[in-house]
Amino acid sequence: EAGVAQSPRYKIIEKRQSVAFWCNPISGHATLYWYQQILGQGPKLLIQFQNNGVVDDSQLPKDRFSAERLKGVDSTLKIQPAKLEDSAVYLCASSLLRGGTGELFFGEGSRLTVL
Amino acid sequence: DAKTTQPNSMESNEEEPVHLPCNHSTISGTDYIHWYRQLPSQGPEYVIHGLTSNVNNRMASLAIAEDRKSSTLILHRATLRDAAVYYCILRDDTDKLIFGTGTRLQVFP
Repeated sequence: EAGVAQSPRYKIIEKRQSVAFWCNPISGHATLYWYQQILGQGPKLLIQFQNNGVVDDSQLPKDRFSAERLKGVDSTLKIQPAKLEDSAVYLCASSLLRGGTGELFFGEGSRLTVL
Repeated sequence: DAKTTQPNSMESNEEEPVHLPCNHSTISGTDYIHWYRQLPSQGPEYVIHGLTSNVNNRMASLAIAEDRKSSTLILHRATLRDAAVYYCILRDDTDKLIFGTGTRLQVFP
């Protein structure tokens, strides 16, 4: 079974530039998550989708971050304009089951460096 | 979101058992206890989860206190590949997984 695919693996940009990350979840997984992991910290949830609807985006900095999940499958996370503090690994995860018991499957992440 | 408390780091020797503790005194009756681990340069991976009873799988065992205010992840024989950050997480029916800072486990040969 194919895992969660993310691209690009690495991205270096200058501050005020824009960047986009792509995620393809495991086939059939209705729930998709984006996390931000700053070096030395645990992952922080940015946004949660159920199919193509947003369940929770309370931690997403909406002035610069946006995310969409067209057709309830692939998802894109965009940052525009980027700040130095956005340097982090952006992790995508998907889950099949709901209700507290489902296992989350994570991709390898996209590492962003903002100069 | 209910919080968990874990030691920042622990050490073990290879082939010895490891007991990773987690305190969650504010757990609610419907919260599941999940454990994930993150190997260097990888995304987190699921280890085990439970509600009230102790659980075993091929990776580890989860021992849950009778009052559910604490739990322990048990690795029966640590290997060098088990060196990772281990996260204890309470998960409610909103499906969110809220990570803390976890326990960094070092395994020595």
